[in-house]
Amino acid sequence: AQSVTQLDSHVSVSEGTPVLLRCNYSSSYSPSLFWYVQHPNKGLQLLLKYTSAATLVKGINGFEAEFKKSETSFHLTKPSAHMSDAAEYFCVVSDRGYGNNRKLIWGLGTSLAVNP
Amino acid sequence: GAGVSQSPRYKVAKRGQDVALRCDPISGHVSLFWYQQALGQGPEFLTYFQNEAQLDKSGLPSDRFFAERPEGSVSTLKIQRTQQEDSAVYLCASSSQSGRLNTGELFFGEGSRLTVL
Repeated sequence: AQSVTQLDSHVSVSEGTPVLLRCNYSSSYSPSLFWYVQHPNKGLQLLLKYTSAATLVKGINGFEAEFKKSETSFHLTKPSAHMSDAAEYFCVVSDRGYGNNRKLIWGLGTSLAVNP
Repeated sequence: GAGVSQSPRYKVAKRGQDVALRCDPISGHVSLFWYQQALGQGPEFLTYFQNEAQLDKSGLPSDRFFAERPEGSVSTLKIQRTQQEDSAVYLCASSSQSGRLNTGELFFGEGSRLTVL
């Protein structure tokens, strides 16, 4: 069965410093992995996705994530945080198993605070 | 429309009242999902439609929850005899992909926040 663990429930960084949001997954199959962002009172937005192409994935707003199969990790990074990055971030795994419905398994989220 | 639209954005219901939440997906999107997001939690899958067919309703927490998408576009999530534990944000998402081709890239609405008193 698939599962996702976001290792930090809250992360706080200073503006201009690097961001690291950690995610580990377990999957019986070759997974698809995603990061979604949720700003307050806004809908969830896809940041980036990994679907078995390049292991280093670039997303919107300067975010990147690297798929490491040996470590079963898909950590989200950004070289320099901006105030507008403050939001809730969700790591998500999608199975490539059988059936017509790809269920998305969501982590519990990491709340990112950016201090001036 | 340009994005997924949900209404109402906020709903306060008395315990025992029935509620209906509406989702207008992106035009032409085949797949439609409903999720429930409790405070401080990630979204939990409720149900999935491919066009008008409800292919998976395994996430609906009880028989008080019912969803439909009769013409393969707009969907309604209905909750009968609401209970306090139903208080959550209900998210609708749509995708242009379907079934085994679905890579999981979903477009979400802003959600309907339900508070049951």
